[in-house]
Amino acid sequence: DVKVTQSSRYLVKRTGEKVFLECVQDMDHENMFWYRQDPGLGLRLIYFSYDVKMKEKGDIPEGYSVSREKKERFSLILESASTNQTSMYLCASSLVTSGTYFGAGTRLSVL
Amino acid sequence: AQSVSQHNHHVILSEAASLELGCNYSYGGTVNLFWYVQYPGQHLQLLLKYFSGDPLVKGIKGFEAEFIKSKFSFNLRKPSVQWSDTAEYFCAVNVKAAGNKLTFGGGTRVLVKP
Repeated sequence: DVKVTQSSRYLVKRTGEKVFLECVQDMDHENMFWYRQDPGLGLRLIYFSYDVKMKEKGDIPEGYSVSREKKERFSLILESASTNQTSMYLCASSLVTSGTYFGAGTRLSVL
Repeated sequence: AQSVSQHNHHVILSEAASLELGCNYSYGGTVNLFWYVQYPGQHLQLLLKYFSGDPLVKGIKGFEAEFIKSKFSFNLRKPSVQWSDTAEYFCAVNVKAAGNKLTFGGGTRVLVKP
């Protein structure tokens, strides 16, 4: 079974803090993704990566950055957290020929 | 850019009723299509996917979906739902020319009354 592990299920941070969300996959997938999930809006793509040290902006990259130093790990960074970044964050990984597998999600609250 | 529309935000039905969730996408090229389900408190799981071939796709838990290319649709169906089908369902599209990123619809919350 593919496993996508997000380091935290719940996080509470203050406005202006730098926040790191970590994600690790164990299936040697090339592609990794960060989405945020908000009620009524579905999942929106923030950033994705096709390879180590490679990143591409998704649909809503503003206020976020990412890091992929190793194939199995993809980190999402909120440089200066704001209240409108309160959301559920989902990490995912995939191969081109398969479906996309999701982690359990990190529910982030920014106060 | 491609977009995905799910027509219903909320669906409430009784056990044994039939379920159909609509999904339309806007992209004229070759696409891969997916339905994901998220049960309460759980992570997203793949229900079924369409890459090519038979447009009627069967997935897990008795779900199926039909790809109608002329209508840009990929509707999800289940003939007889159970209480355990209560979940949020997401349609997603992957444009082959754009790599492996998925574009999701807004989701449909399904509540099955026991």
